[in-house]
Amino acid sequence: KAGVTQTPRYLIKTRGQQVTLSCSPISGHRSVSWYQQTPGQGLQFLFEYFSETQRNKGNFPGRFSGRQFSNSRSEMNVSTLELGDSALYLCASSLSGPYNEQFFGPGTRLTVL
Amino acid sequence: QQPVQSPQAVILREGEDAVINCSSSKALYSVHWYRQKHGEAPVFLMILLKGGEQKGHEKISASFNEKKQQSSLYLTASQLSYSGTYFCGTEEKGGAQKLVFGQGTRLTINP
Repeated sequence: KAGVTQTPRYLIKTRGQQVTLSCSPISGHRSVSWYQQTPGQGLQFLFEYFSETQRNKGNFPGRFSGRQFSNSRSEMNVSTLELGDSALYLCASSLSGPYNEQFFGPGTRLTVL
Repeated sequence: QQPVQSPQAVILREGEDAVINCSSSKALYSVHWYRQKHGEAPVFLMILLKGGEQKGHEKISASFNEKKQQSSLYLTASQLSYSGTYFCGTEEKGGAQKLVFGQGTRLTINP
C-alpha cells in the first residue's frame, strides 16, 4: 500500500508570494490533516478535511487555507508569505479522523526569504 | 491548549529505561504517542482511550491517568533504534475532534 505523498518536497519563496502544497493520502483514507512543524513550536495543527469538508481549524491566520478534492487529495495554500512561515508542512491521513492512527507524509520544507 | 511534555530532552545509554510525561490542563478523551526520527515523518506508536489504560508496543508502553490528565510513555531496556523525538497528542473531552501535540521530547540513546 502506497504511503502518504507530498509535493513538492522543497520550496523556496520570497515574502509576499503565495504557495500551494499538495498531499495525496493513503488509498481509502478520507481524512487529511495538515500540521506546521518548527523547532520552537513543535507540531501545530492547521486544519483537517474529511470528504471535502473542513471539519476543524487551528489557530492560524486566514492566509492559510486548504481544500480537499473528491479523491481525498488535499491542497494547502498560504498567501502573502511571511518569514515566519518558513517551516516543515506535514500532512497526515487517516481513515476517519485525527483521533485514529495517522500516517504522515514526508513533508514539504518551505523556506521564505 | 498544548500539552506539556517532560523532560524536553534525555540522553541514555543503551539498555537503560526512560519515562516521558505528557500533561494537560484540560479533561482528555484520548492521548496519542508518535515518534519522529531525524529527517523523517512522525510514526504512530499508540492511542490510549480510557482512563488508566495501559498499552504496549514491544518494549514501549504507556499509561493514561484520566483524573490527572496525564500520560506517561515508558521505554524499557532502550535500544539505539529508539532515538528520536517523541510527541504526545491530546484530544480534549467535549472539544473539536483534533489532536493538539506537545512540543516533543528528544531522546538520544548512546551505545
